[in-house]
Amino acid sequence: DIQMTQSPSSLSASVGDRVTITCRASQTIDTYLNWYQQTPGLAPKLLIYAASSLQSGVPSSFSGSGSGTHFTLTISSLQPEDFATYYCQQSYSTPLTFGGGTKVEIK
Amino acid sequence: EVQLVESGGDLVQPGRSLRLSCGASGFTVDDYAMHWVRQAPGKGLEWVSGIGWNSGSIGYADSVKGRFTISRDNAKNSLYLQMNSLRPEDTALYFCAKDVGPDIVVVLGGTVFDQWGQGTLVTVSA
Repeated sequence: DIQMTQSPSSLSASVGDRVTITCRASQTIDTYLNWYQQTPGLAPKLLIYAASSLQSGVPSSFSGSGSGTHFTLTISSLQPEDFATYYCQQSYSTPLTFGGGTKVEIK
Repeated sequence: EVQLVESGGDLVQPGRSLRLSCGASGFTVDDYAMHWVRQAPGKGLEWVSGIGWNSGSIGYADSVKGRFTISRDNAKNSLYLQMNSLRPEDTALYFCAKDVGPDIVVVLGGTVFDQWGQGTLVTVSA
């Protein structure tokens, strides 16, 4: 199985900050990598697919990059509604696997 | 508007069975693979199972293989998860999720969960 490791597991930031979250795969997954946002009590929401493609309706402050085994999700200017937990997910092979999550909290 | 509504979650004893359902609307169900993803209390996301548009391709996580069975009824716009021999570690919120593609592909499948339901809670406890 492909293991997905996210870092950090949590971070504190202020509104307006630039935030970067990292996701590493245990083997190469090309660009078969997606990012989701989950607010407490709600279902996950797709942000980025295929490593760098922005899902329709998602603010352009979100961006993704990477290929192979190293990927990043960047929020260029953190907004109040962005405080949530973020998960990466590999779609290279089954079983599909997620990273452990990164909780973005208000500083 | 795409809607996925899960039901069937309950408190059950270890070793018992439960069947979850997911009703879909707002899109042509026949065109897409569908999945179950779960989240244990306070934990991360875990893919459980997926099924292709015509039930011709199916996949399971190792943790549920042999105990859970996924199925779908396109005429009823519904997805199901039959869960047998339940264990305390199966306790979780179970989400139904729509794929962007039609099939479950073992390698280079490119599965993306673009729509999610709100989940149904399964608690396995004596």
